[in-house]
Amino acid sequence: SQTIHQWPATLVQPVGSPLSLECTVEGTSNPNLYWYRQAAGRGLQLLFYSIGIDQISSEVPQNLSASRPQDRQFILSSKKLLLSDSGFYLCAWSIAGTGSGGYTFGSGTRLTVV
Amino acid sequence: GQNIDQPTEMTATEGAIVQINCTYQTSGFNGLFWYQQHAGEAPTFLSYNVLDGLEEKGRFSSFLSRSKGYSYLLLKELQMKDSASYLCAVRDPFGGATNKLIFGTGTLLAVQP
Repeated sequence: SQTIHQWPATLVQPVGSPLSLECTVEGTSNPNLYWYRQAAGRGLQLLFYSIGIDQISSEVPQNLSASRPQDRQFILSSKKLLLSDSGFYLCAWSIAGTGSGGYTFGSGTRLTVV
Repeated sequence: GQNIDQPTEMTATEGAIVQINCTYQTSGFNGLFWYQQHAGEAPTFLSYNVLDGLEEKGRFSSFLSRSKGYSYLLLKELQMKDSASYLCAVRDPFGGATNKLIFGTGTLLAVQP
């Protein structure tokens, strides 16, 4: 069966510090991978998606970047965090295409920038 | 562009039935999803609709009308554990194999004794 792991679960970082969140998927090959952010009381905002190794698409201009160095690894990074980067970050995977498969989400990272 | 509307909050009584509505305005259509999200946790998949009509899965059912840009999630025999946010999402009709989902802001359901 497929599983998705995301870490850390919580993170408190000072403004201006770097960030690295990691997500890995097991039990599947060539997954589509996604990073979403959920601000308090808000919906899920798509930040990045990837359909293959080193293929990253950004949905919104921002202070963050993403990388996919291996097929089942997706990393969210920042060189210098801003207060506005606080939120709940979710990694997700899906199969490619337009079937009935939705997303399976990781457990999320609660990031607080202070 | 795409826009998805859901009520912000709803309250219902344990054992009752509740209907959560979702309307969407998109320039195409390629599938609609419902997710459940408990506070502080990740969303979990509930249902998928791509054709008009009702999809039933235990206590949960989801309905779709493509001509009206409308869906609802029906929860029967409510339990306290059903207190959660319910997210409506549509697949980007122009996303192709990317399978991008566009989420509404969610409906926070509070089930009371």
